[in-house]
Amino acid sequence: KAGVTQTPRYLIKTRGQQVTLSCSPISGHRSVSWYQQTPGQGLQFLFEYFSETQRNKGNFPGRFSGRQFSNSRSEMNVSTLELGDSALYLCASTEDRGERNTIYFGEGSWLTVV
Amino acid sequence: AQSVAQPEDQVNVAEGNPLTVKCTYSVSGNPYLFWYVQYPNRGLQFLLKYITGDNLVKGSYGFEAEFNKSQTSFHLKKPSALVSDSALYFCAVRARSIYSGAGSYQLTFGKGTKLSVIP
Repeated sequence: KAGVTQTPRYLIKTRGQQVTLSCSPISGHRSVSWYQQTPGQGLQFLFEYFSETQRNKGNFPGRFSGRQFSNSRSEMNVSTLELGDSALYLCASTEDRGERNTIYFGEGSWLTVV
Repeated sequence: AQSVAQPEDQVNVAEGNPLTVKCTYSVSGNPYLFWYVQYPNRGLQFLLKYITGDNLVKGSYGFEAEFNKSQTSFHLKKPSALVSDSALYFCAVRARSIYSGAGSYQLTFGKGTKLSVIP
C-alpha cells in the first residue's frame, strides 16, 4: 500500500505570493491533517479534514486554509506569504477519527519564502 | 489542554549501549501516546503507540516504550543502540481537542530529542 504522498517536495516562493500544497492519503484513509514544522516552534497542528469537512483547526491565521475532496485527497493553501511561513509542511492520514488509530505522515513539502 | 515534554534536547549514547529518550505528558482523560522518528530531510515515521493494556509497548526497529501512569511518562527505550538510530525523536499525545466538536482529535507533539549514537 502506498504511503501518504505530498507534492511538491520543495518549493521557493516570494513574499506576498500564495502557495498550494497537495496531499494524497493512504488508500482507505478518510481523515487528513496538516502540521507545520519549524526549528523555533516545532510541530504545530494546522487543521484536520474528514469527509470533506474541516473538523478541527489549530491556532493559525486565516491566511492558512485547506480543503478535502471526495476522494480524500487534500490541499492546503497559504496566501500572502510571509518569511515566517518558511517551514516543512507535513500531511498525515488515518482511517477515521478515532483516537486509537495511528496517524501516518508523508515526507513533507519544504516551503522557502524569500 | 494536552501537552508533552521532552526534557532533553539531545541524547548521546555509545553504539551497543542501551538508550532512553524521555517523555512526560499532561492530558485530561485517557492518554493515547505515540513515538515518531524523523531522519534528516524526511517526514515522520511511526515507531509505536500506547492505547491500553500492557505498559510495555514494543515497536519498530527494536524500540519499546514504557507507559507509567503515576509518573505520566512514556519513555522510549532500546536495549542496544545502532549508529543508524541517530535521528530526531518525537513523543506525541492524542486527545480530544477542546476547540472542536465531538470526535475531533489532534496530535500534540513534544519539542523533539536529537539522538546521536556514537560509533
